[in-house]
Amino acid sequence: AQSVSQHNHHVILSEAASLELGCNYSYGGTVNLFWYVQYPGQHLQLLLKYFSGDPLVKGIKGFEAEFIKSKFSFNLRKPSVQWSDTAEYFCAVTPYGNNRLAFGKGNQVVVIP
Amino acid sequence: DGGITQSPKYLFRKEGQNVTLSCEQNLNHDAMYWYRQDPGQGLRLIYYSQIVNDFQKGDIAEGYSVSREKKESFPLTVTSAQKNPTAFYLCASSIEGAREAFFGQGTRLTVV
Repeated sequence: AQSVSQHNHHVILSEAASLELGCNYSYGGTVNLFWYVQYPGQHLQLLLKYFSGDPLVKGIKGFEAEFIKSKFSFNLRKPSVQWSDTAEYFCAVTPYGNNRLAFGKGNQVVVIP
Repeated sequence: DGGITQSPKYLFRKEGQNVTLSCEQNLNHDAMYWYRQDPGQGLRLIYYSQIVNDFQKGDIAEGYSVSREKKESFPLTVTSAQKNPTAFYLCASSIEGAREAFFGQGTRLTVV
């Protein structure tokens, strides 16, 4: 079964700093990739997704992610964070043609005003 | 409103009892999922179903059982065989695995 790795579980940074969260997956075939966000007290919601095409994808709230096939990575970035970006961020993967949706352990991000 | 409904929000059970968590969706989605969320562990897949009358084990299926008799319903039973059942359980659904998954509000189960 595929696995998803996220490092640096706790990230603390100041407003206006740049954010980059790493995501690596272990599945060798074609995959669909996602980043989800969970704001305090709210449901998980989709931030962005990659299926095919341009490996640099843009999501909501100024987030973007880059798919690097050779590195099995799908890192999330935001150039300048805000206090409202405080949340837990999850990377997720499904193998192409399969519905098995697997998540990483998440990154707890705290932005200090 | 369209969405996923998990009930109840909080559930308490005595050790040794089986308990069933409800998950209903009216989004007409084929795929449904159950996850367990523990601090520092992320979302771990318990079971998933791609279509009615079919389901597959996830990474931590031991001590759990599911059924998928109707498209809109995917109940999860936490059996007495589950060694550490106290957790936050999330249900999700999607049209298919390549599409966005929608999540319920979760059920916090406490076994005493």
